[in-house]
Amino acid sequence: DTGVSQDPRHKITKRGQNVTFRCDPISEHNRLYWYRQTLGQGPEFLTYFQNEAQLEKSRLLSDRFSAERPKGSFSTLEIQRTEQGDSAMYLCASSPGGAGVVEQYFGPGTRLTVT
Amino acid sequence: AQTVTQSQPEMSVQEAETVTLSCTYDTSESDYYLFWYKQPPSRQMILVIRQEAYKQQNATENRFSVNFQKAAKSFSLKISDSQLGDAAMYFCAYRSRDSWGKLQFGAGTQVVVTP
Repeated sequence: DTGVSQDPRHKITKRGQNVTFRCDPISEHNRLYWYRQTLGQGPEFLTYFQNEAQLEKSRLLSDRFSAERPKGSFSTLEIQRTEQGDSAMYLCASSPGGAGVVEQYFGPGTRLTVT
Repeated sequence: AQTVTQSQPEMSVQEAETVTLSCTYDTSESDYYLFWYKQPPSRQMILVIRQEAYKQQNATENRFSVNFQKAAKSFSLKISDSQLGDAAMYFCAYRSRDSWGKLQFGAGTQVVVTP
C-alpha cells in the first residue's frame, strides 16, 4: 500500500493553456474521487468514478473540465483553456468498494496556479 | 442539500492543553456519517475520527474524541493533551449513508499549538 499519488505536485500555467493532472489510487480501490480546494476553504466535490465509469459530476465541473479513468486504475483530470479562477489545489481520493466502507484516502494534491 | 459549518477559523492551544473544535451541519437525513480530517501544512489530508449517526456512543481515537449531538446537528472534536504535531487545518465532513461516498466539507479550523 503506497498510498494515493498525484502528479504533478505543482503546476504553473498561463491563462488559456490546457493542463492535465494524474491520480494513481491505492491498488484495488475501485472508487476514485476528485475534489477542488481553494485557499481558505474546504474541498469541494468534483466527480466520482466507480471503476472506469464516471457516475457523478458536480456542477462545478464546467465544460472545460474532463476526467477519465480508462482502465479503472489511474485517473486524469484535464482543464482546457484555463482561467485564473481555476487556481486551486486539486485533490484525488480513493476508497475500496463494499458495504460499510466509508474512509477515503487522499493524495497530496496538485496545486495549480494560473497566471 | 446538506451543509457543514465550522464557525471557528482559528483556534490556539498550548501544548498539553485541550481544545474543542465546533461543527454543525444541516440535513434532513436520519442516517449518515460524520468525519474529522486533518490537513497538515503541505501534507495530505488524513482521517482523524469518524462517527456513524445511528450510534449514540461518541467515537474516541486516542487523544481525539467527539461530542455528537444528533438532535442539535452538532459534531465537535476535542483534542486532549495537545502536541505540536497536532497543528494543522481540521475539516469536518458529512457523508450520506446511501451514497457512494461523496464528502461535503466545512471551511476548516486552523489549530495553532504553542509551546
